Amino acid sequence: ETGVTQSPTHLIKTRGQQVTLRCSSQSGHNTVSWYQQALGQGPQFIFQYYREEENGRGNFPPRFSGLQFPNYSSELNVNALELDDSALYLCASSQTGTTPSGANVLTFGAGSRLTVL
Amino acid sequence: SQKIEQNSEALNIQEGKTATLTCNYTNYSPAYLQWYRQDPGRGPVFLLLIRENEKEKRKERLKVTFDTTLKQSLFHITASQPADSATYLCAPPRGDSSASKIIFGSGTRLSIRP
Repeated sequence: ETGVTQSPTHLIKTRGQQVTLRCSSQSGHNTVSWYQQALGQGPQFIFQYYREEENGRGNFPPRFSGLQFPNYSSELNVNALELDDSALYLCASSQTGTTPSGANVLTFGAGSRLTVL
Repeated sequence: SQKIEQNSEALNIQEGKTATLTCNYTNYSPAYLQWYRQDPGRGPVFLLLIRENEKEKRKERLKVTFDTTLKQSLFHITASQPADSATYLCAPPRGDSSASKIIFGSGTRLSIRP
């Protein structure tokens, strides 16, 4: 059983640029959630993808967007990068059941560390 | 709006003692709550899940309680070891109709000294 893998592990961008982060889900998982974690803070929910569609979003602007592919892998895209976007971006996969009340246990990747200069 | 609060101050305790971490939530009633461990530079790792109809859950040296009246969960590590040093995150689902979006507290950093 493979875990969640994220790429790249580290990257440096300049303000105004665009970035794409990638995530491969754990085998058997159908849902991907993305989080932003600033230094010393807990992970902040960006959005979740289920069945290739956005399935809920946190308090992040539209320049944060994503995709989920038929193999359940996912991308996070951030446009017009700002200095405050510097953070660890975490991808988590899970198996969401057919009922909305089912508990959702997350398996995280190691994250992509983004620095915006 | 819903709020999750963990003690932001680091907790330093002696090896062998019991560590107790607190998570308080306000303005909603989650159906369940999870605890995760995070080591520096790594993603969080799932430890335990407790549902609203369960008072207590145990796994080896770990114990979690869930008091829906106090709106509080306590996380205990008994016989603590230096290897238990990490940040521990409280994680209930977001308070909307779906229970699948997990949100996190700010975490409590635990240090176990030999």
